[in-house]
Parts: sequence; C-alpha cells; structure tokens
Amino acid sequence: QSALTQPASVSGSPGQSITISCTGTSSDVGTYNLVSWYQQHPGKAPKLMIYEGSKRPSGVSNRFSGSKSGNTASLTISGLQAEDEADYYCYSYAGSSTFYVFGTGTKVTVL
Amino acid sequence: QITLKESGPTLVKPTQTLTLTCTFSGFSLSTGGVGVGWIRQPPGKALEWLALIYWDDDKRYSPSLKSRLTITKDTSKNQVVLTMTNMDPVDTATYYCAHRVTSDAFDFWGQGTMVTVSS
Repeated sequence: QSALTQPASVSGSPGQSITISCTGTSSDVGTYNLVSWYQQHPGKAPKLMIYEGSKRPSGVSNRFSGSKSGNTASLTISGLQAEDEADYYCYSYAGSSTFYVFGTGTKVTVL
Repeated sequence: QITLKESGPTLVKPTQTLTLTCTFSGFSLSTGGVGVGWIRQPPGKALEWLALIYWDDDKRYSPSLKSRLTITKDTSKNQVVLTMTNMDPVDTATYYCAHRVTSDAFDFWGQGTMVTVSS
C-alpha cells in the first residue's frame, strides 16, 4: 500500500487561504470517513488538527477545516498566520488488509 | 491529562532487535475503544504508521513490516512495548507512540525517541 499523495509544498501570504490535498484511492480515503490531519513543527511531535475528515479537536483554531471529495481529502487553512508554517500530514484508515496509511507530507510556507 | 513517553536505546547495531517502551498516563488501555499506536519518522522524511494495539488486545501491523514487529501491552503498568527485529540502517528514525481515539485519529503523542542503527 502506497502512502497517500500530498503536494510537497504549499505557500501563501499572511491572511490568505491555502488548501492541502491528500489523494488516496477507493480503498482508503474514498471509502472511509476516517481521515485525520496533523501539524508538525520542526523537532516537535505531530499535533492533531482534524479528525473524521472535518471535525476539529477542542483547542484547534477554526481557521483549520477539512473536507473530502471522492478519493481526495483536503485541509484548508484560512487567515494564514506565521505560526501555521509547518509540515502537515494526512492519515487514513485503509481497510482490513493495509489498515492505516499516512500521506507524503506537505511543507507549508508563509511568505 | 494524557501523556505518553517513549523509552529505549538510542543506538542499535544492524541485525539486532529493537525494544521500545511507551509509558502512558491519563487513560487506561482496558477502556473500550482505546488504542496505542507506534509511528516512526526517518530524518527529513514522512511519518510512517507501524502498529496499533487495542483495548481488547487486538493488534494491527503495517503489512510491509509485519514479519519484524510485535506489539504488546501491560495494562497494569500502563505500558505498550514494540519490538522490531533485524534492524537495518534504513530503520534509523524518531519513533513515536500515540493515543488512538475511536475515530482512528491520534490525539496525544509522545515526544518521540530517536533511534540510530549503525555498527
């Protein structure tokens, strides 16, 4: 099972909105509504930002939102801030053979 | 408050077996729906899911590493142990353990432990 595909990098200016895609297959993202998103700053552990595709844990800014269309999940960051500069990973359940898979990761740069 | 912390050797030799322990607090691994997973990240690379153990002792392994991995739990000690056999330099990575919620997300993570495989 291959990793979910994410763009290597996405950039935006402060205040802008950006969207990170996470493309899987009908065996994972397309079938299960179990995509989560993680933010990782350098040298730090990942932090859960979105679960079940679009739900935000308590304490996560409402500038972060998730969605899904077909085999592609997306994370949108609105009102981009300097502190949002980090790596972002998607993660999905992938069925009873592969079980779980992470995305390839996206580096977000705030210009 | 949920916390997790990984412990184990920082350096292992090729072909050796790695044993990592995740010691946690703030939850019980005997509570329905709860799980603890292991994830690793080679330097400069992406996260990779390794294994997951559930409250009922059900276990899941990455298909590509299944033959080398064993995950166990000690509920009384609040610990989860991951062993990986036949270590290779490509297994050099930071290894994380994390608390899994019923929605299959990891809401709390340990700080990670860096393991280097070198002779």
